[in-house]
Amino acid sequence: KQEVTQIPAALSVPEGENLVLNCSFTDSAIYNLQWFRQDPGKGLTSLLLIQSSQREQTSGRLNASLDKSSGRSTLYIAASQPGDSATYLCAAKNSGGGADGLTFGKGTHLIIQP
Amino acid sequence: DGGITQSPKYLFRKEGQNVTLSCEQNLNHDAMYWYRQDPGQGLRLIYYSQIVNDFQKGDIAEGYSVSREKKESFPLTVTSAQKNPTAFYLCASSTQDRGNYGYTFGSGTRLTVV
Repeated sequence: KQEVTQIPAALSVPEGENLVLNCSFTDSAIYNLQWFRQDPGKGLTSLLLIQSSQREQTSGRLNASLDKSSGRSTLYIAASQPGDSATYLCAAKNSGGGADGLTFGKGTHLIIQP
Repeated sequence: DGGITQSPKYLFRKEGQNVTLSCEQNLNHDAMYWYRQDPGQGLRLIYYSQIVNDFQKGDIAEGYSVSREKKESFPLTVTSAQKNPTAFYLCASSTQDRGNYGYTFGSGTRLTVV
């Protein structure tokens, strides 16, 4: 059964720093890996989706990479801003059978200090 | 604009009551999902439906029921058999196109037992 782990669970950094959030998964049989942002009490907003055949995706100050062979993905945030404060979730779309749906990590709670 | 609408935003349930959470999408997505989110835990899959008039149990289906009579709608009923229903419930949808399994989420319903 797929398991997704995110490290660190929480992170607090000063504004302007570049930072990396880590996501690992145990089963490499995935269609894609998706990064989401969740603000307190809100739903999930999709940030980036990386197909299994891709190595990375970029959107603005965000860059996500995928290494299927090692079961890892990273989300790089450049020049962080206080508005980036949120919980970041990664999720794997499994292709190896079993229930449809995404398997989520528990998230990284990010605080950007002004 | 296309999206997913969940209602109500907040819901209070008395002991022994059944309550129904609404989820509507106008994205023309075939698949729809219900997730439960608890503090300190990742999102867990309750039920999913890949096509109208068909649905499957996820990891934590006990105490819940769903229906999929229309492509746009996937309501979730939390029955009195669910012993710990207080949680944040998220509905999502996706295409069944293997080239793009990106998920879109609603804004959530917070259910509290009183």
